[in-house]
Amino acid sequence: SAVISQKPSRDICQRGTSLTIQCQVDSQVTMMFWYRQQPGQSLTLIATANQGSEATYESGFVIDKFPISRPNLTFSTLTVSNMSPEDSSIYLCSVGGASKLAGGTGELFFGEGSRLTVL
Amino acid sequence: GNSVTQMEGPVTLSEEAFLTINCTYTATGYPSLFWYVQYPGEGLQLLLKATKADDKGSNKGFEATYRKETTSFHLEKGSVQVSDSAVYFCALRGGVQGAQKLVFGQGTRLTINP
Repeated sequence: SAVISQKPSRDICQRGTSLTIQCQVDSQVTMMFWYRQQPGQSLTLIATANQGSEATYESGFVIDKFPISRPNLTFSTLTVSNMSPEDSSIYLCSVGGASKLAGGTGELFFGEGSRLTVL
Repeated sequence: GNSVTQMEGPVTLSEEAFLTINCTYTATGYPSLFWYVQYPGEGLQLLLKATKADDKGSNKGFEATYRKETTSFHLEKGSVQVSDSAVYFCALRGGVQGAQKLVFGQGTRLTINP
């Protein structure tokens, strides 16, 4: 399993500001995933970030709102731009082994998450 | 696309009771199936997994069997403890469509009373 560190672990932000969340992994990984967990809800995939290419966003999420960087195989950032109270959530970074399609077992490992509260 | 449906919560049980949390899925192909657990104030942890039909995943007294014929992966534990109080998520990854994405069910909050 991978060790995933996220920063900040929590923050309180003002409406209209932007915040960048960092995700550091202790090993090189091809794919990194960013999820959002709204209060009392399940996890929803925001985007998949591969090193050396543009992130792939899920329906309902756009690059202007959630720009992602993936400068190398152990690090990624997610920015939440122009925040509103609806963006108050836990944002989680995730990495995993190969999917079944690629011969692996497919589990993903998660960081502790970054809990954002937007006032 | 792939989807996961979990038993509605919250679920409240007494210590030593038998637990079942139902999970069914929709997917093309043969996905891997998972149960994740989120303890209060903590991150998401993998509880158990199964990668093919009839596989049984087990950990910490919890079990779940991959049932292809009923597209189910129900979580069971014979005797729950207060420390099992958490939110449990059923998830799948793979199959054919959206193979790289981990898709979660809505989560089931479990509370165990002493």
